[in-house]
Amino acid sequence: DAGVIQSPRHEVTEMGQEVTLRCKPISGHDYLFWYRQTMMRGLELLIYFNNNVPIDDSGMPEDRFSAKMPNASFSTLKIQPSEPRDSAVYFCASSPLRGVVVHEQYFGPGTRLTVT
Amino acid sequence: AQTVTQSQPEMSVQEAETVTLSCTYDTSESDYYLFWYKQPPSRQMILVIRQEAYKQQNATENRFSVNFQKAAKSFSLKISDSQLGDAAMYFCAYRPISGNTPLVFGKGTRLSVIA
Repeated sequence: DAGVIQSPRHEVTEMGQEVTLRCKPISGHDYLFWYRQTMMRGLELLIYFNNNVPIDDSGMPEDRFSAKMPNASFSTLKIQPSEPRDSAVYFCASSPLRGVVVHEQYFGPGTRLTVT
Repeated sequence: AQTVTQSQPEMSVQEAETVTLSCTYDTSESDYYLFWYKQPPSRQMILVIRQEAYKQQNATENRFSVNFQKAAKSFSLKISDSQLGDAAMYFCAYRPISGNTPLVFGKGTRLSVIA
């Protein structure tokens, strides 16, 4: 398997623009997590899904952020409008329901977002 | 709420020497997993080692081992025979065993390896 795929790897945009980050989880994984990494706050959960249904979105900072998982092989994280403080690395991770180590999370390479 | 604390923002070690990275956590759960992740400059999060809290034996993976002290809620990572490729950010993470919940991360320790 190719692992968790994220696109784009880098995104530079201007304040006020809409940004969409994409994630393709590992095939067969039931859980998908979106994390954000900043210098100040480290790695934090934004939202996670189980079988395409959002389970906990309490980490989504505000209404400018939204996430969807229309099917088992695709998820998006959208920021509209974007602000400079959204600059961060955004990770997607997926996890199987069962496995050698139950619920081990596999991370994608991350998307580095810069909002100017 | 569960918290994970890494008190060493930066550490350095001479090549071939041993270094220990510290991690403490707070939880009211009795069963949980603890992890150490490595993040090299490529940004990829790489699982280094995991520990199940119900296991008394400390986990080891080649040159990496942990010192898990459940009563003290301490989970340190020891890297033996350090190599240049070990230079990275290291994150300690926690997750309860029950259910498939998100990881809670510490702020990380940046490890430099000196040739």
